[in-house]
Amino acid sequence: KAGVTQTPRYLIKTRGQQVTLSCSPISGHRSVSWYQQTPGQGLQFLFEYFSETQRNKGNFPGRFSGRQFSNSRSEMNVSTLELGDSALYLCASSLTGSTGELFFGEGSRLTVL
Amino acid sequence: QKEVEQNSGPLSVPEGAIASLNCTYSDRGSQSFFWYRQYSGKSPELIMSIYSNGDKEDGRFTAQLNKASQYVSLLIRDSQPSDSATYLCAVKEGYNFNKFYFGSGTKLNVKP
Repeated sequence: KAGVTQTPRYLIKTRGQQVTLSCSPISGHRSVSWYQQTPGQGLQFLFEYFSETQRNKGNFPGRFSGRQFSNSRSEMNVSTLELGDSALYLCASSLTGSTGELFFGEGSRLTVL
Repeated sequence: QKEVEQNSGPLSVPEGAIASLNCTYSDRGSQSFFWYRQYSGKSPELIMSIYSNGDKEDGRFTAQLNKASQYVSLLIRDSQPSDSATYLCAVKEGYNFNKFYFGSGTKLNVKP
């Protein structure tokens, strides 16, 4: 059974640019969550999608956005990149919206120069 | 802001010993608690979940929950060098959606 797939794995951007990250959940999983991981702040919740609807959003500025498609694949977008956006972005899928068992992808490591 | 607190460590234990990892949380209404393990350069992987007060055992791992004290712990018996990793405590918000607050993690070193 394939796990959670995130692309790209590594990327380098410059300030002011935008970036789109992709996540394919485990087959059959309908919930996709995104987290930002940094050494200083740890893992922080960005947002969760379930059946194409954003159900919850963390305390991040509006530059961070996402969406989910009918096949449960999800994308997140960060516009007007700042140096502080450098982080590991982790996608996690879950079978339903309430089991609480998250399965993480390997992450997309973003470096903003 | 709901908080999950962990001692960052590192916690060093000899091989074969019991490692004890602790976590406290601020939201008294929290109902679901999880321990994740994260090896360096890898993504977190679920070790255990616990929902009721008391102990829950799974192999060498035992999770303990005390909601009155807002305290969760993870015991690793017969620690192995392969257990060396960062252990993340996670608290789920609510019932019907997956929003988690994670602690900063405790780094565990198991010395051969």
